[in-house]
Amino acid sequence: AQSVAQPEDQVNVAEGNPLTVKCTYSVSGNPYLFWYVQYPNRGLQFLLKYITGDNLVKGSYGFEAEFNKSQTSFHLKKPSALVSDSALYFCAVREGLMNRDDKIIFGKGTRLHILP
Amino acid sequence: SAVISQKPSRDICQRGTSLTIQCQVDSQVTMMFWYRQQPGQSLTLIATANQGSEATYESGFVIDKFPISRPNLTFSTLTVSNMSPEDSSIYLCSVEHRQAGWTEAFFGQGTRLTVV
Repeated sequence: AQSVAQPEDQVNVAEGNPLTVKCTYSVSGNPYLFWYVQYPNRGLQFLLKYITGDNLVKGSYGFEAEFNKSQTSFHLKKPSALVSDSALYFCAVREGLMNRDDKIIFGKGTRLHILP
Repeated sequence: SAVISQKPSRDICQRGTSLTIQCQVDSQVTMMFWYRQQPGQSLTLIATANQGSEATYESGFVIDKFPISRPNLTFSTLTVSNMSPEDSSIYLCSVEHRQAGWTEAFFGQGTRLTVV
């Protein structure tokens, strides 16, 4: 069964510093990995994804994530945090496209708090 | 990608009543999903709504409590029936269209429900 873990409930970072939000996953096949962000009173917004190819993927708002197959990780990163990055971040995983019945599994979420 | 309109954005309802949430997509999609999200928590999948067939419910969710309609490829509704304060939550609609090569899911803005 597929699963995803976000070990930190909250991450605090000073504005201008680099940030990392951790995610590890477990799937039996090739993973499709995603990051979503949720601002207060809003739905989830897609940030970026890894499907295949380059392990470093870039997404919206200056975010990037690195796929590490040996560590089964997909950590979200940004070189310089902004106060406006404060939000709830979800990592998600799915086991490929061929099985129509497989679902996207979401982590429990990590609240990112950028300190001015 | 897809633009998803979810209505209402929020509502306060009396216990024992029902609320129907609408999800409208700007393009035809094969799969629509309904999630529940407790404030600050992760997403819990309620059911998968596929056009032309009955919705598929996850463990812990039943059709009598959460009836779903999917009359066409761009629209779905979720009804929360006989509401109690425990139903207070955010309800989210999401869509996927794997046959078109979409790999990620897209979300509506959510419906914040408070039952009093």
